[in-house]
Amino acid sequence: EIVMTQSPATLSVSPGERATLSCRASQSVSSNLAWYQQKPGQAPRLLIYGASTRATGIPARFSGSGSGTEFTLTISSLQSEDFAVYYCQQYNNWPPYSFGQGTKLEIK
Amino acid sequence: EVQVVESGGGLVKPGGSLRLSCAASGFTFNMAWMNWVRQAPGKGLEWVGRIKSHTSGGTTDYAAPVKGRFTISRDDSKNTLYLQMNSLNSEDTAVYYCVAIVTGTPSHPYFDYWGQGTLVTVSS
Repeated sequence: EIVMTQSPATLSVSPGERATLSCRASQSVSSNLAWYQQKPGQAPRLLIYGASTRATGIPARFSGSGSGTEFTLTISSLQSEDFAVYYCQQYNNWPPYSFGQGTKLEIK
Repeated sequence: EVQVVESGGGLVKPGGSLRLSCAASGFTFNMAWMNWVRQAPGKGLEWVGRIKSHTSGGTTDYAAPVKGRFTISRDDSKNTLYLQMNSLNSEDTAVYYCVAIVTGTPSHPYFDYWGQGTLVTVSS
C-alpha cells in the first residue's frame, strides 16, 4: 500500500501571499496524483489531477507540480476563500486509493 | 449538471446494519466507476471501496478495515449506487461520501464529483 505524507500539517499564511503545500508518496506514483480542497462542512472538491492539470473552473492561482514521489501544490496569491484543508491522493496503484492526512491552510 | 446525492445515514447500534444510497444524475451513470469515501469526525479522508462500470467488469474493491463487512452495488436502471454496511462498530462513525469518476478514465481514476455526504453514527 502506498502511503501519502503531507507537510506541514498546518500552514499559516497572510492573504495575498504565496502558499506552498507538499505531498510525498512512499513509492513512485508517476503523475497520478490529485489535490482536493475541503472547506468546513463541505464535501471535498477536485482542484488538480495528473499532478498539474487544473480541474474545470479552478482559478489559475492554483498550480500543481511534481512527479514520482514528490509533489507540490502552490497557491500564488491567497484569497480569503482559499483557507481550507487540502488533501493529496494517489491513483497510480490501487486499491486502495490513498489520501494524505491533509494540510490545514489558515489565516496568519 | 452532475449531481450525486447520498441518503440513508443515521444512528445505528454496534453490530447493526445500514444501507446507504446515492442517486446520480447529469452524467452517464452506467459508464462511471463509483466510490465511497468516508471521513470520521475531525479526521481526514479514507477511501472505502469502489465498483467499476459493468463494461469494465462491474467488480468491487474494498479498503482493508471494511472488507467482508461492507458491500457496494449499483443499479444502472435507477442511476443509483448502494453501500450495505454490516457488523458496524464505533470506528465506522463518519460522513460517507459518494464519489463519481466522470471525466477520469479507468487508467486515470481521479475523483471528480462528490456528494455532500451522509452521516453514519454507530453508538449504543
